[in-house]
Amino acid sequence: SQTIHQWPATLVQPVGSPLSLECTVEGTSNPNLYWYRQAAGRGLQLLFYSVGIGQISSEVPQNLSASRPQDRQFILSSKKLLLSDSGFYLCAWSVIRTGDTTGELFFGEGSRLTVL
Amino acid sequence: DQQVKQNSPSLSVQEGRISILNCDYTNSMFDYFLWYKKYPAEGPTFLISISSIKDKNEDGRFTVFLNKSAKHLSLHIVPSQPGDSAVYFCATGGGADGLTFGKGTHLIIQP
Repeated sequence: SQTIHQWPATLVQPVGSPLSLECTVEGTSNPNLYWYRQAAGRGLQLLFYSVGIGQISSEVPQNLSASRPQDRQFILSSKKLLLSDSGFYLCAWSVIRTGDTTGELFFGEGSRLTVL
Repeated sequence: DQQVKQNSPSLSVQEGRISILNCDYTNSMFDYFLWYKKYPAEGPTFLISISSIKDKNEDGRFTVFLNKSAKHLSLHIVPSQPGDSAVYFCATGGGADGLTFGKGTHLIIQP
């Protein structure tokens, strides 16, 4: 069966410090990978997605970046955190869609980032 | 421009009664609509989906209705239980760029 893990679960960082959140998927090959953020009053906002190694698409301009160094590894980074980067970050994966698949996403446990 | 809208930030329902969560969408090209449930400090989990060629899908206590002419879908939970207290997101899309989610409705089941 497929599993997804992300870490760390909780992170408290000062403004201007760097960030690295990691996500790995097991039990599947060539998944689509996603980073979402849940901020207060804004629902689940897509930040980045990747359809393959080294392929990153950004949905929202910001000081965050993403990388996919391996097929089942997705990393969210920042060189200098802002207060507005605080939120709950979620990694997710999906299979490549075929005719009768729903596009369902499978989410990790989430990472709570607090920037002070 | 929000493609998926959940206009009720919160909903309070008595245990045993029916909970109805609503969602509106703008793009008629979507072929699937999904509902997710989320507890605090956890990732969302898939609850139920419906194809755009159907108007109803039922799974146990959960039923999703789709009204294509009104671009509206709703999730019915009956009977509501304390464990149903959570934030519910409707979502659609499902291409390589993932799902687009509404802002969520916080369902509170009161004893």
